[in-house]
Amino acid sequence: GAVVSQHPSRVICKSGTSVKIECRSLDFQATTMFWYRQFPKQSLMLMATSNEGSKATYEQGVEKDKFLINHASLTLSTLTVTSAHPEDSSFYICSAYKGGGNPYEQYFGPGTRLTVT
Amino acid sequence: KQEVTQIPAALSVPEGENLVLNCSFTDSAIYNLQWFRQDPGKGLTSLLLIQSSQREQTSGRLNASLDKSSGRSTLYIAASQPGDSATYLCAVFGNEKLTFGTGTRLTIIP
Repeated sequence: GAVVSQHPSRVICKSGTSVKIECRSLDFQATTMFWYRQFPKQSLMLMATSNEGSKATYEQGVEKDKFLINHASLTLSTLTVTSAHPEDSSFYICSAYKGGGNPYEQYFGPGTRLTVT
Repeated sequence: KQEVTQIPAALSVPEGENLVLNCSFTDSAIYNLQWFRQDPGKGLTSLLLIQSSQREQTSGRLNASLDKSSGRSTLYIAASQPGDSATYLCAVFGNEKLTFGTGTRLTIIP
């Protein structure tokens, strides 16, 4: 299998606070993980690519100081939304490369619904 | 910059009908194309992945085709069922990233 989990599945936080979202590959090692966000009724947009042990590569327009990504191990990447504001409310989804098998196939987590009040 | 478009944006069909969802992409330099379904408020479920060297993939009632040179893919669903109601997303992998289409919201009418 290739299972990716995310925690929490839902989180509500107050404006100005920070929230951390975890992405774990449960049964494989992932050298590369990806973070996406999805606004209501819209498609997924890639935010950043995270490689284990190195700095994340952010897509154009994504603030790296606001969305802190850490990929400290081969099975865990975290996304921290700092000083969250209501416009950061979104559905955040991570994915991971398994390696081997189908090259470049990403396995997706179930997503985290963030609501900033 | 890769752009992926899906037409139609929404589709309603009676149960039992066969249907086709369309996906087009602007840059044909891709490694693979993948179709996903997404239920409301949920994550993605991978349906089919087609490598750039392949023309089609089949899984049960689903058949996906890929014409890389023309930048098109179709997802054919046979004998549709109410449980097929969901949003279907296509995504292409190229230039080290996955680019998603705009999605087709499918409703199967019992």
